[in-house]
Amino acid sequence: DAGVIQSPRHEVTEMGQEVTLRCKPISGHNSLFWYRQTMMRGLELLIYFNNNVPIDDSGMPEDRFSAKMPNASFSTLKIQPSEPRDSAVYFCASSLLAGNQPQHFGDGTRLSIL
Amino acid sequence: GQQVMQIPQYQHVQEGEDFTTYCNSSTTLSNIQWYKQRPGGHPVFLIQLVKSGEVKKQKRLTFQFGEAKKNSSLHITATQTTDVGTYFCAGINNAGNMLTFGGGTRLMVKP
Repeated sequence: DAGVIQSPRHEVTEMGQEVTLRCKPISGHNSLFWYRQTMMRGLELLIYFNNNVPIDDSGMPEDRFSAKMPNASFSTLKIQPSEPRDSAVYFCASSLLAGNQPQHFGDGTRLSIL
Repeated sequence: GQQVMQIPQYQHVQEGEDFTTYCNSSTTLSNIQWYKQRPGGHPVFLIQLVKSGEVKKQKRLTFQFGEAKKNSSLHITATQTTDVGTYFCAGINNAGNMLTFGGGTRLMVKP
């Protein structure tokens, strides 16, 4: 079975540029999560979707961050404009149902903003 | 909001020694999950505990959920180098809608 697929695996870009991270959840999963992981702040939930609808985006740092899920098999996380402090590993995860089901994580996108 | 704390942050052990990480929540949890993240990898689900006082075992790993459902522990017996990684607990509150991760315990095993 294909797991959660994220792209790109690595992204290096200059500050001010737009960054788009992509995620394909496991087929049949109806909850999708975006996390950010840094040494300083650990694993932070940014936003999650149930059935393609954003449920809680309270973890989104600021207006520069936006996330969409246009259909059940695709989600994007955009940062515009990017800043060096956005450098982190961004994980996408999916599960059958938010809350009491295991979450399956993708390999992550390692983002470096210069 | 709900907070989940883990101690210790780091643990160095000699191969063969035991290891325990503790997880504490500021609120009562409906259930708790444990994940392992290898260096350079992504978190991988290990187990979920639901019942008060529940104990589950996976080979050398023993997971426990506290009677008050506000704390949990993971104990590894006779660590091996393959146990290296960061262990996260993640709690779900009684509203049952969101998983809150602890800060993780990074385990290093010296051969």
